[in-house]
Amino acid sequence: AQSVTQLDSQVPVFEEAPVELRCNYSSSVSVYLFWYVQYPNQGLQLLLKYLSGSTLVKGINGFEAEFNKSQTSFHLRKPSVHISDTAEYFCAVIFRSNDYKLSFGAGTTVTVRA
Amino acid sequence: NAGVMQNPRHLVRRRGQEARLRCSPMKGHSHVYWYRQLPEEGLKFMVYLQKENIIDESGMPKERFSAEFPKEGPSILRIQQVVRGDSAAYFCASSRERGNTGELFFGEGSRLTVL
Repeated sequence: AQSVTQLDSQVPVFEEAPVELRCNYSSSVSVYLFWYVQYPNQGLQLLLKYLSGSTLVKGINGFEAEFNKSQTSFHLRKPSVHISDTAEYFCAVIFRSNDYKLSFGAGTTVTVRA
Repeated sequence: NAGVMQNPRHLVRRRGQEARLRCSPMKGHSHVYWYRQLPEEGLKFMVYLQKENIIDESGMPKERFSAEFPKEGPSILRIQQVVRGDSAAYFCASSRERGNTGELFFGEGSRLTVL
């Protein structure tokens, strides 16, 4: 079965501390991987994506993610967060057998405190 | 430079009424996707449309739900005879090409509450 799991529903973090959001997927086919962010009262915005090539992907706002094929993971990291990073983060996967459908995880709410 | 526009942002309906959600894609985009987010869950694919055509409606409930994307005007997601379980956030996304690299641009969502 194909699925996307975000292991943490809530992540509180202090300003300037690092953060890691975990995402695992289950698939028998190759995948494209994405992280989206949703700021309060806004639509989803693409942070970064992995299609092929280097497994370390850099995105906007200082975020990066690493694709680990053996562990079927695509964890998102930022070395130092700001208050403005408070948002909900969604991991999403395109299973290449369905080449336009994004399958989303349940989301991780990051709350950055001063 | 407007993004994907959805309206209404919030809609309240009583059981049995109809809900119509509208989505205007970004300029130059002819591919539209609808996703639904139930409480505590991730977004789930509902339907993929191009102008005047439904390409894939495999995620749509078999009854009461329909979608269209006419030649002129916004895409419409229509829910007839709403029930409490239809309460959710409905997101529209658009792309210039078929979205197989995830380059989808999302709207802010329409939040439906069924009383």
